[in-house]
Amino acid sequence: DAGITQSPRHKVTETGTPVTLRCHQTENHRYMYWYRQDPGHGLRLIHYSYGVKDTDKGEVSDGYSVSRSKTEDFLLTLESATSSQTSVYFCAISDDGGLTGSPTDTQYFGPGTRLTVL
Amino acid sequence: TQLLEQSPQFLSIQEGENLTVYCNSSSVFSSLQWYRQEPGEGPVLLVTVVTGGEVKKLKRLTFQFGDARKDSSLHITAAQPGDTGLYLCAGDVAGTYKYIFGTGTRLKVLA
Repeated sequence: DAGITQSPRHKVTETGTPVTLRCHQTENHRYMYWYRQDPGHGLRLIHYSYGVKDTDKGEVSDGYSVSRSKTEDFLLTLESATSSQTSVYFCAISDDGGLTGSPTDTQYFGPGTRLTVL
Repeated sequence: TQLLEQSPQFLSIQEGENLTVYCNSSSVFSSLQWYRQEPGEGPVLLVTVVTGGEVKKLKRLTFQFGDARKDSSLHITAAQPGDTGLYLCAGDVAGTYKYIFGTGTRLKVLA
């Protein structure tokens, strides 16, 4: 199993509070992703990173920010949590494909964080 | 906007039956992946298909990529309770490092 951990695994918070989720990898993979999973929507990309300090938005990035100050850690921050951000959040990593620099087609997922915003 | 639609959304069958899950899009993908997700865990990659018309087999699971690389199917022969889970397809977004996921097919195999 790829070395990916997410913390916390469960969190309950109140509307308007800031929340930070952490993804940590021990695989030295270049690419890291944050997804949210909701019933009827599958997995939707929030933000992703293609290197230290290099990040870009996904399809549902509003209300979220990310930071990657070192290869192994990718942080997802909800500046002011809302009830619509109640979801299960997954981090994923992918290796560099070599000469092209593009990610390989294999993503390894973390165990997920269940976030409830009351 | 690229979309991946999966059908059916839910499937409940008896052990030993065969089934097919479909993943369709109007967009062309250079590769397409199939994942299985167990409750409380992250998705795990089953297979990647990259060539139009490609067929890959993984024990009782057969994966096919459409000739035009816009669709894919997953066929399970003689389903077993251990096949129960959420099956997700995913495709790469052209020119980016991003992937989009289908809405998933939740399979339940009854003993």
